[in-house]
Amino acid sequence: AQSVTQPDIHITVSEGASLELRCNYSYGATPYLFWYVQSPGQGLQLLLKYFSGDTLVQGIKGFEAEFKRSQSSFNLRKPSVHWSDAAEYFCAVGAGSGYSTLTFGKGTMLLVSP
Amino acid sequence: GAVVSQHPSRVICKSGTSVKIECRSLDFQATTMFWYRQFPKQSLMLMATSNEGSKATYEQGVEKDKFLINHASLTLSTLTVTSAHPEDSSFYICSAIPGHGGNTEAFFGQGTRLTVV
Repeated sequence: AQSVTQPDIHITVSEGASLELRCNYSYGATPYLFWYVQSPGQGLQLLLKYFSGDTLVQGIKGFEAEFKRSQSSFNLRKPSVHWSDAAEYFCAVGAGSGYSTLTFGKGTMLLVSP
Repeated sequence: GAVVSQHPSRVICKSGTSVKIECRSLDFQATTMFWYRQFPKQSLMLMATSNEGSKATYEQGVEKDKFLINHASLTLSTLTVTSAHPEDSSFYICSAIPGHGGNTEAFFGQGTRLTVV
């Protein structure tokens, strides 16, 4: 069975600073990888996804993520964080015959300081 | 993009009553929908997979008699929490995939906050 680890429960970043959120996965084959963002009391919004091809994936809101097979990682990055980026971020892996069945990490809460 | 709508967004009910949550795909048909539960400061846990016209598939540890799922049409799945108790209070989120499943992205609803008093 697949699993996802997000080692950081919460991270605080100054506005304008760069951001990297870590995600490691465990899966025997090529995974489908996702990053979602959740604002308080809201549903999930897809930031980006990796299915195949270029290992550097561009997403919405200026986010990008890089798939590194050798490290089983799919870290999320943003060069300059805005206060509106404060939210919970979830990494997920989809696998099997229908990758819409997702396994989520526990999430990383991003706090943005002025 | 595809839109999935959940209703209600918030509901408060008395202990012992039942609550129905709807998940609708507004601009696409979905053979398969998924129901997740999210505890405070926790991740999403898959509860069940809802298949149109057939019985739902429940994850281990989820009581099928307590969490009734009906997927009667290609655009609507419902989750009914029966005889609700305070420990059922949680955030419930559904997702739907267009078409007949397979390698298709899932789209999420905005979630339903259930509080049982």
